[in-house]
Amino acid sequence: AQKVTQAQTEISVVEKEDVTLDCVYETRDTTYYLFWYKQPPSGELVFLIRRNSFDEQNEISGRYSWNFQKSTSSFNFTITASQVVDSAVYFCALSESSLGVLRAGKSTFGDGTTLTVKP
Amino acid sequence: NAGVMQNPRHLVRRRGQEARLRCSPMKGHSHVYWYRQLPEEGLKFMVYLQKENIIDESGMPKERFSAEFPKEGPSILRIQQVVRGDSAAYFCASSPPSVSYNEQFFGPGTRLTVL
Repeated sequence: AQKVTQAQTEISVVEKEDVTLDCVYETRDTTYYLFWYKQPPSGELVFLIRRNSFDEQNEISGRYSWNFQKSTSSFNFTITASQVVDSAVYFCALSESSLGVLRAGKSTFGDGTTLTVKP
Repeated sequence: NAGVMQNPRHLVRRRGQEARLRCSPMKGHSHVYWYRQLPEEGLKFMVYLQKENIIDESGMPKERFSAEFPKEGPSILRIQQVVRGDSAAYFCASSPPSVSYNEQFFGPGTRLTVL
């Protein structure tokens, strides 16, 4: 069975601080996808990144960066120089493969980390 | 190309009534997924459908819940005889019928409140 653990329930930082959101996953699949989503107070889900299990390269997109460590089954998300608009709930998710092929499958979500950025 | 559409966005029902939630996938997408988000929790998978077929319903409650994705028209998640515990946000996602992976595109969700 798949499992995603986001151990940090809530994080509060002051604007301009860096913050890292942790994500640890469990799966028996050798092929899978990992995701991060942002859910602002308005409630919709905003896709941030997708990473497949074959690609351990870290990625940077503006103030956002992701660290995928297959050896520790972790996919951590760092926001640099946080801003008030970053306040939201952030979800990490794992999507299973089908017959070992990377194709769309149901996703397992963590319980989310609520990030509050204070001015 | 319009995104995934869900309606209604907000739905209020009294205990015992029926709730029907609709999801129109993105154009060209034939795979639909339904997820439920209880207050203060993450999304939980409910059901995965392709046109006219239920592929995986391992997350669906055994009673009162059903889902369909007909050949024509939107996917429907139906909850009969709603109870207060059904109050949640219900998200639909869609993906195209491709062998290689394409991400799931999420709709804005339907927030169900049971009085």
